[in-house]
Amino acid sequence: NAGVTQTPKFRVLKTGQSMTLLCAQDMNHEYMYWYRQDPGMGLRLIHYSVGEGTTAKGEVPDGYNVSRLKKQNFLLGLESAAPSQTSVYFCASSLRGARNQPQHFGDGTRLSIL
Amino acid sequence: KNQVEQSPQSLIILEGKNCTLQCNYTVSPFSNLRWYKQDTGRGPVSLTIMTFSENTKSNGRYTATLDADTKQSSLHITASQLSDSASYICVVTDYSGYSTLTFGKGTMLLVSP
Repeated sequence: NAGVTQTPKFRVLKTGQSMTLLCAQDMNHEYMYWYRQDPGMGLRLIHYSVGEGTTAKGEVPDGYNVSRLKKQNFLLGLESAAPSQTSVYFCASSLRGARNQPQHFGDGTRLSIL
Repeated sequence: KNQVEQSPQSLIILEGKNCTLQCNYTVSPFSNLRWYKQDTGRGPVSLTIMTFSENTKSNGRYTATLDADTKQSSLHITASQLSDSASYICVVTDYSGYSTLTFGKGTMLLVSP
């Protein structure tokens, strides 16, 4: 079982460049999430989606956009990358809301902005 | 503001020994508490989820406890193995409209041979 797959696994960008991170899940989950993990901090929610065609802002949404055109895919975009966006990005999914459902995480995308 | 504090920040134990990790939280209203294991370079993997009415839950050699009155949880690892070396993250969910998850910073455990 693939579970949650993130691509790419690593990426180096220059300040001002744009890119899109892809998350795909094969568990037919309704909810999907994007987090960032920085040294010395807990995971922080960037954006999330409660179903196909929906998106909502999380705790740290500035500088990011997302789209959920297909149920199995959740895309995270950086329009104009900044060094402060250097981080490890994790995608997660859950069958329903996080209240009583475990979240399944991908293995992350390590992004460096020079 | 919802907060989750974990201690210790890091821990080294000998293979075969037991250890206990702590989690204190100030999340309201409380919905559930989770423990995740995160291996280096990997995503977090769920170990246990406990609701308000549960005070103990086990998953193999991992046993989590919850005291909702004192807002404390612990994760006990029995007969540690080298593969237990990882970061252990405590996550608390509130009972709001979206159910926000608040993540702790994690305890880094190193099991030494």
